Amino acid sequence: GESVGLHLPTLSVQEGDNSIINCAYSNSASDYFIWYKQESGKGPQFIIDIRSNMDKRQGQRVTVLLNKTVKHLSLQIAATQPGDSAVYFCAEILANQAGTALIFGKGTTLSVSS
Amino acid sequence: DGGITQSPKYLFRKEGQNVTLSCEQNLNHDAMYWYRQDPGQGLRLIYYSQIVNDFQKGDIAEGYSVSREKKESFPLTVTSAQKNPTAFYLCASSIGSDPPLNTEAFFGQGTRLTVV
Repeated sequence: GESVGLHLPTLSVQEGDNSIINCAYSNSASDYFIWYKQESGKGPQFIIDIRSNMDKRQGQRVTVLLNKTVKHLSLQIAATQPGDSAVYFCAEILANQAGTALIFGKGTTLSVSS
Repeated sequence: DGGITQSPKYLFRKEGQNVTLSCEQNLNHDAMYWYRQDPGQGLRLIYYSQIVNDFQKGDIAEGYSVSREKKESFPLTVTSAQKNPTAFYLCASSIGSDPPLNTEAFFGQGTRLTVV
């Protein structure tokens, strides 16, 4: 079944505001959590990842926060721009005897208005 | 120009026919993946391959088959046994099959399959 999911399917923000996209996961054994961005008609693109032994990681205009106590992951986008409009997926690494693979949640659609 | 290429972009097939979706990468990546995406849904894992001549079933492998005879190629066949094949299919690759080498997957542009 689904082991990662997002709290809200859509999020609308004004240009220049900060955006926060949330994700809840259930697999405590995951070593890595990752955020991907998918623009319309394209394949997803890697944004940032965080290892399970960290609680915060920063990239360019993005910050990922991991709260293992409540199994919650969030992506913060600073000074959101129209080009940030896309669907955002959280993902985790599924590891079993057969191998490892990325497992995705359902996604949050971010709409940025000017 | 390195990347991952899926072809064709749009594909139409009649019900009951098998169809093969192409996925080629020139990134020298060991691991390759196939996902299915339905409207408003996330990506669901169909099959994945960690190395040549090896592949594993994902969450929704029924009605699909794959092969990995070459490192750069991972074709997906949608068989007539797949009950609801109309979907957007995405192929991806990663440097390796273990973290952190597989956290960054590179995706193709996708193939939109419509079965009529």
